[in-house]
Amino acid sequence: DVKVTQSSRYLVKRTGEKVFLECVQDMDHENMFWYRQDPGLGLRLIYFSYDVKMKEKGDIPEGYSVSREKKERFSLILESASTNQTSMYLCASSKSGTGKNYGYTFGSGTRLTVV
Amino acid sequence: GDSVTQMEGPVTLSEEAFLTINCTYTATGYPSLFWYVQYPGEGLQLLLKATKADDKGSNKGFEATYRKETTSFHLEKGSVQVSDSAVYFCALSDHTGRRALTFGSGTRLQVQP
Repeated sequence: DVKVTQSSRYLVKRTGEKVFLECVQDMDHENMFWYRQDPGLGLRLIYFSYDVKMKEKGDIPEGYSVSREKKERFSLILESASTNQTSMYLCASSKSGTGKNYGYTFGSGTRLTVV
Repeated sequence: GDSVTQMEGPVTLSEEAFLTINCTYTATGYPSLFWYVQYPGEGLQLLLKATKADDKGSNKGFEATYRKETTSFHLEKGSVQVSDSAVYFCALSDHTGRRALTFGSGTRLQVQP
């Protein structure tokens, strides 16, 4: 069964910490995405990548960065965590050129709490 | 820019009731349209899709028809079950080259026995 795996389901971090959220897919997909999900706001795109070492900013990139050193892995980095980054983070992937017709495969999400 | 508007929830229904969740969109060109479902504690799963006007997507008893004239993609089910309780997201993918889906805010459905 094809999968997008997020390394942690729950994380608690302190304000100011550097936080790494990891996502791995086993489908040989070119495109990978990071969204955050907040009540009443739906899913908002943080960053996406359509190839190794390539990245593009989404709608809310401030306070975040990403890394894509290998095709299967896409990491989201919170440089200095703040309480307003407490959220559910969702990773997704798609085959190049097919996302607009076949949608995405999502991971189970990481619920991050910053205290 | 592109946007998706969904009816606010929660929507509370009794088992076997008819369900409609409204979704309208704004986009240039001809987007593809999707419904995703998120069960408690899980990620999003693709429920159904439509890629051109008048297409009907269907899955697990749910249906939605791509209406270009009203820019809508309403989700319907004739008889809901308790197991349908979840959050439902409408989304679009445009054809202008941007490679990311745009999502609505989600609608929570609660089905009571």
